[in-house]
Amino acid sequence: GDSVTQTEGLVTVTEGLPVMLNCTYQTAYSDVAFFWYVQYLNEAPKLLLRSSTDNKRTEHQGFHATLHKSSSSFHLQKSSVQLSDSALYYCALSERSNYNVLYFGSGTKLTVEP
Amino acid sequence: ETAVFQTPNYHVTQVGNEVSFNCKQTLGHDTMYWYKQDSKKLLKIMFSYNNKQLIVNETVPRRFSPQSSDKAHLNLRIKSVEPEDSAVYLCASSFRDRVAETLYFGSGTRLTVL
Repeated sequence: GDSVTQTEGLVTVTEGLPVMLNCTYQTAYSDVAFFWYVQYLNEAPKLLLRSSTDNKRTEHQGFHATLHKSSSSFHLQKSSVQLSDSALYYCALSERSNYNVLYFGSGTKLTVEP
Repeated sequence: ETAVFQTPNYHVTQVGNEVSFNCKQTLGHDTMYWYKQDSKKLLKIMFSYNNKQLIVNETVPRRFSPQSSDKAHLNLRIKSVEPEDSAVYLCASSFRDRVAETLYFGSGTRLTVL
């Protein structure tokens, strides 16, 4: 079945520095979309960005990610993190023929320190 | 702006009791989902309904039973709760047939089983 792997459970970065959160996946389907969701403390997960196009960079709120089907990856990056970026980040995939059900990775908690 | 409403926000109960959670969405979506977020923050799909019809039923214990009266409402009943049911239950909604469609989540119901 489909699976999403986030290797880092915790990432701590100093404010103003860059960050990359890793996401790799396995899927047997071709009509698949990929997402990054962010969950702030005591809030609902919400969409940060998404993509279904190979090798196309997608950006939102200073974050960006590029889907690379050749390496089965969809890493999330930001060039200069802010204190307000501290949150839990989930990588996820959905397959259109499976009713857009989202399958999530285990999540990466990003802590930005002053 | 909240568009997926869940009640109650919190519920504390004892082992063996029955609990019910409610979810309503005002986005006009045709598909709704229940996700479980456990103590390790793992997010896993439990059920999905499309226009009142159950379409996704992951390997969930039989004491869990979802119910949908119309496409805007989805409830979850747990008969005879067990300690491992302690978690946050997140409701979400979406459009089934749109490519790369995002899910919109409610703020969750936190269940504590003593």
